Amino acid sequence: DVKVTQSSRYLVKRTGEKVFLECVQDMDHENMFWYRQDPGLGLRLIYFSYDVKMKEKGDIPEGYSVSREKKERFSLILESASTNQTSMYLCASSLDPASGNTIYFGEGSWLTVV
Amino acid sequence: GQNIDQPTEMTATEGAIVQINCTYQTSGFNGLFWYQQHAGEAPTFLSYNVLDGLEEKGRFSSFLSRSKGYSYLLLKELQMKDSASYLCAVRDGDYKLSFGAGTTVTVRA
Repeated sequence: DVKVTQSSRYLVKRTGEKVFLECVQDMDHENMFWYRQDPGLGLRLIYFSYDVKMKEKGDIPEGYSVSREKKERFSLILESASTNQTSMYLCASSLDPASGNTIYFGEGSWLTVV
Repeated sequence: GQNIDQPTEMTATEGAIVQINCTYQTSGFNGLFWYQQHAGEAPTFLSYNVLDGLEEKGRFSSFLSRSKGYSYLLLKELQMKDSASYLCAVRDGDYKLSFGAGTTVTVRA
């Protein structure tokens, strides 16, 4: 079974803090994604990466950055957390999408910024 | 931009059938996915359609009409454990999945 692991399930951070959300997958997937999920808005793509050291902006990249130094690990960084970044963050990974492969999600990280 | 619409909520009785519709207008199309998400948990994959027609998988079926930008997920013989949010997602390019806001299905005894 594919496993996508998000190291922190629940975090509370102060406004202005730098926040790291870590994600690791164990299936040698090329593609990794960070989404945030908010009530009524669904999942929105923040950033994705299709290879080591490669990254692409999603639909809502403002206020976020990412790092992919190793194939299995994709980190989301909030340089200066703000209250409007309080949300549930989901990491996901997939094989080559041209094969119709689905993406697999981690358990989610609930971030509260106070 | 991408526009993926699905109803916000649906309620049905245990043993019944429920159909969740999804309409989409996206810049490209490279497949449509349905996911199930229980409260507080990660979404899990249910089905994938890339060609027109019906895909059946046990109690769940998914239909796609690319010309109409339309899909539905059919849940048969509803069980209490089917109470969850159902997410419609379109792969609109090489890598990205764009999601609808989700439909919360409540199954009543």
